[in-house]
Amino acid sequence: QVQLVQSGAEVKKPGASVKISCKASGYTFNYAVHWLRQAPGQTPEWMGWINAANGDTKYSQKFQGRFTITRDTSASTVYMELSSLRSEDMAIYYCATEYYSSTWHYCFDPWGQGTLVTVSS
Amino acid sequence: QSALTQPASVSGSPGQSITISCTGTSSDVGAYDYVSWYQQHPGRAPKLMIYDVRDRPSGVSNRFSGSKSGSTASLTISGLQAEDEADYYCSSYTSSSTHVFGSGTKVTVL
Repeated sequence: QVQLVQSGAEVKKPGASVKISCKASGYTFNYAVHWLRQAPGQTPEWMGWINAANGDTKYSQKFQGRFTITRDTSASTVYMELSSLRSEDMAIYYCATEYYSSTWHYCFDPWGQGTLVTVSS
Repeated sequence: QSALTQPASVSGSPGQSITISCTGTSSDVGAYDYVSWYQQHPGRAPKLMIYDVRDRPSGVSNRFSGSKSGSTASLTISGLQAEDEADYYCSSYTSSSTHVFGSGTKVTVL
């Protein structure tokens, strides 16, 4: 049973950076791990993903340049870092694995519990 | 990438069937059979209900079904129950190798 546990809530000032962790358990750490965010009352938004096996990444063009996903295979943990934070970045950030059933499917399951990022001066 | 279009709200009485539409373009919904649907209750993470247009993950009720025609996908909930009241989002893989979500639909059980 795949489980993802994220780090706790963060409060940051505008212009700062935030780094969130996502620890995986219950499976061999070779899944695709995605990061998504959901602003209050809004639809989820896909940010990017990492191939946990080889470290390859792909990012949404919207976040290119200020968003980085890394992983530590020894700790079965994936990280996301978002820099130059602004008020519009205030959201719940989720990690999620790509759903696997016999083969990979282009969707997300399971999800982590979410990490609230507050951006305020 | 613009969000996929969903109705803002859909309602139905217990036992009825409702259908939620999700309209995209030839670059996303119309390009691949990689449409998925998520249920989200307040304060919870989204839960995968349908993947690859019409397949259900293990444990998801067969009251949930999906379909697609052209660039419009649909989620049908049959035998509506009180526990189905939630927000529902569609999502699609895109020709840019990214993912896009729908605008979301609030389902109300009357």
